[in-house]
Order: sequence, then C-alpha cells, then structure tokens
Amino acid sequence: EAGVAQSPRYKIIEKRQSVAFWCNPISGHATLYWYQQILGQGPKLLIQFQNNGVVDDSQLPKDRFSAERLKGVDSTLKIQPAKLEDSAVYLCASSLLRSQRTGRTEAFFGQGTRLTVV
Amino acid sequence: AQRVTQPEKLLSVFKGAPVELKCNYSYSGSPELFWYVQYSRQRLQLLLRHISRESIKGFTADLNKGETSFHLKKPFAQEEDSAMYYCALTVDSNYQLIWGAGTKLIIKP
Repeated sequence: EAGVAQSPRYKIIEKRQSVAFWCNPISGHATLYWYQQILGQGPKLLIQFQNNGVVDDSQLPKDRFSAERLKGVDSTLKIQPAKLEDSAVYLCASSLLRSQRTGRTEAFFGQGTRLTVV
Repeated sequence: AQRVTQPEKLLSVFKGAPVELKCNYSYSGSPELFWYVQYSRQRLQLLLRHISRESIKGFTADLNKGETSFHLKKPFAQEEDSAMYYCALTVDSNYQLIWGAGTKLIIKP
C-alpha cells in the first residue's frame, strides 16, 4: 500500500515568515496526526483529526499554528508567523479508526518535513 | 498524567552482545504499548506492539505491569540494528500516542 506522503521534505524560512506543509494519508485512514519533533526529543502531538473533525489540538500553539483537513483526506499545517523555536521536523501520520481495526493499531508515518527557521 | 520514560539517550554495544532498551510508563490502567524505530534517513515505523507478543527482527518486549515497564530486548545485536528507538503508549479510544524521548542505539562492529 502507498505510504503517507508529505511535502516539502525540507524548508528554510526566515523568522516571521509563513510556511505550509501538506500531508496525504494512507487511503481509508480516518485518523490523521501532525507531530512536531524537535532535535533530541520524541514526537509531540500538535493536532489529531478524525475524518475532518479535530479530536485533540490542546498542544497546538493556536496563535501561530493552524491546520485543516478538508474532506477528511489531505491535510495542511500552517505556521504564521514562524519563530526560531519552530525549527523541527513536522511529521504526519495516519491510522485506522479504532473501530475499523482488526488487530492492526499502528500509526503510519510520513518522511517528515524538516523546517529550519533562521 | 500518562508519561513514557526512556532513561538512556544513547546506548552503545558491540555486535553480538545483548541489547536492552529501557522503557517505563506511568498509567494506572491497562495501556497499549509500542516500540517504534527510525533508521537513518528513513521514516518512523512500528517495530512491535505488546498485544501481539511477537518477535520482530529478533527483538522482543514484555509488558511488566508490576514494574510499569516495556523494555526492548535482543540477545545478539547486529550492526543494522543501529537506529533511534521510541517507546510509546496509547490509553484511550482516540489512540493518542504518548512518546518517550527516544534512545539512540549504536552497534559497534
């Protein structure tokens, strides 16, 4: 099966600029996650969608970050304006709904987008 | 609050030696635990999950509820095992993963 696709792979921007990341999950996966992974740390959940609804965005810095998942498929994550501390790898992952799962419960990850804010 | 702790940031062992990557969690109920691995220049991927009680690439992990641990073990390390390893748990129906900080495993020839 095709994996989770993310673009771009790399992005360098200046602070206070805007940036957007795109994610295409595995076909049929209702749940989509955006994670931020800062160097030396584990992934930190930013937002979780179930179809096109938000399940959890408690750790999303809403003053500068936004995300949407139109039609319950692709998703975009935006940062506006970016800060130096936003430099990280942004990971998108998808999984089946728990009710859909028959033993397979893992999240599948994209390659990530490495953001450098200078 | 739920938490996953991986006490070692770096673990270096010689090829052929046993490996144990430690993972401790805090949760009073019955969690679902996972080990994910990230090889150099590759995406994060599931290695194994406790409910499957499986051995993948020679690795096993046993959930010890008394010690709240889920340590990853392999009796004989291979050079291709060098990677970042993350322990994670999920406790709710929304399948929100809670991650440890990761352990970098280096297998020396």
